[in-house]
Amino acid sequence: NAGVTQTPKFQVLKTGQSMTLQCAQDMNHEYMSWYRQDPGMGLRLIHYSVGAGITDQGEVPNGYNVSRSTTEDFPLRLLSAAPSQTSVYFCASSPVERPYEQYFGPGTRLTVT
Amino acid sequence: GQSLEQPSEVTAVEGAIVQINCTYQTSGFYGLSWYQQHDGGAPTFLSYNALDGLEETGRFSSFLSRSDSYGYLLLQELQMKDSASYFCAVRALNSGYALNFGKGTSLLVTP
Repeated sequence: NAGVTQTPKFQVLKTGQSMTLQCAQDMNHEYMSWYRQDPGMGLRLIHYSVGAGITDQGEVPNGYNVSRSTTEDFPLRLLSAAPSQTSVYFCASSPVERPYEQYFGPGTRLTVT
Repeated sequence: GQSLEQPSEVTAVEGAIVQINCTYQTSGFYGLSWYQQHDGGAPTFLSYNALDGLEETGRFSSFLSRSDSYGYLLLQELQMKDSASYFCAVRALNSGYALNFGKGTSLLVTP
């Protein structure tokens, strides 16, 4: 099993550009989520999904969109990048019966200039 | 709302025991989780307490007291590789499957 994979590993964007961060998991987990991590801020939840076709907002959803068309994939879209979105982004998945046990991808380091 | 408080930094000597505390304020929750993250890496799950008491997993133990809104992670026989950040996280009753993370404790193990 590859676990949770994320692409790209690094990305530099200019203000106003849009892009999609990819996330995939091969563990057949129903629950998937996106976090951003900033220095001293811990992990903050952006969006999450409890299954294909079902998504919900987390703590910091503004400026981001998600969709869940399959169990495996959960892409995160930045609509119009801003310097405040410079961060490390982690995707995670867990089985519904153990939502407290999340498996994280390696992260995407995004810089917006 | 929910809030979790952890010390920002802890330093301990190799071979010693260290306790990382987590206090929380939430109206109700399922349990307390702990994650480890090395510099430049992804968080990895360590332990979970749904009930009051101690859960032991090798050198690591985690404790929860719901009446005191308090938990801790205990690391024994510290090794240099234990230098990392440690996060507590709660899954609140009103947040579905979402986890709310503390800001993390940076543990430095010295020789």
